[in-house]
Amino acid sequence: AQRVTQPEKLLSVFKGAPVELKCNYSYSGSPELFWYVQYSRQRLQLLLRHISRESIKGFTADLNKGETSFHLKKPFAQEEDSAMYYCALFTDKLIFGTGTRLQVFP
Amino acid sequence: DTAVSQTPKYLVTQMGNDKSIKCEQNLGHDTMYWYKQDSKKFLKIMFSYNNKELIINETVPNRFSPKSPDKAHLNLHINSLELGDSAVYFCASSQAGSLKTQYFGPGTRLLVL
Repeated sequence: AQRVTQPEKLLSVFKGAPVELKCNYSYSGSPELFWYVQYSRQRLQLLLRHISRESIKGFTADLNKGETSFHLKKPFAQEEDSAMYYCALFTDKLIFGTGTRLQVFP
Repeated sequence: DTAVSQTPKYLVTQMGNDKSIKCEQNLGHDTMYWYKQDSKKFLKIMFSYNNKELIINETVPNRFSPKSPDKAHLNLHINSLELGDSAVYFCASSQAGSLKTQYFGPGTRLLVL
């Protein structure tokens, strides 16, 4: 079955602390993975995609096919990073995980 | 310039009513989507249209009927609204293809009383 799992509903850290939002997927094909972010009362927007191997707003995510994971990381969290983060897998459609709310305290 | 717009932003209505949500994109995309985000923030695709043709229908009740008059519009009509339909509905658009970014609208918050 095609599935995306984000085990943490809520992740709270202090400003400057490292952040890792976990994402695991289940898919028999070659995965195409994305991270989307939704800031408070704003629309969902793409943060990054695995194919680009880019760093956006200090966030990176590496696809680990052996562990079927695509964890999102940032070495030093900022207050403005507080948002809802969704990991998504594209098959013939985007399948979203249940989301992780990141709270960064000052 | 708003890329993907939805109207209305908020919709409060009684059970049993029929309502529509409109979506428009000015990005020139040929694929449009409707997603439902429930109270637990779980986001799930409902429909996908490519060039006005339905390509994905995710076991959504027949009470939900999408309509695409042209490539730039994908409206969602809901008949006989139920309490469980209360959610935030997001429209999105993209170019065809898996690696194309989906651009989301601001959402329509529907509350059924």
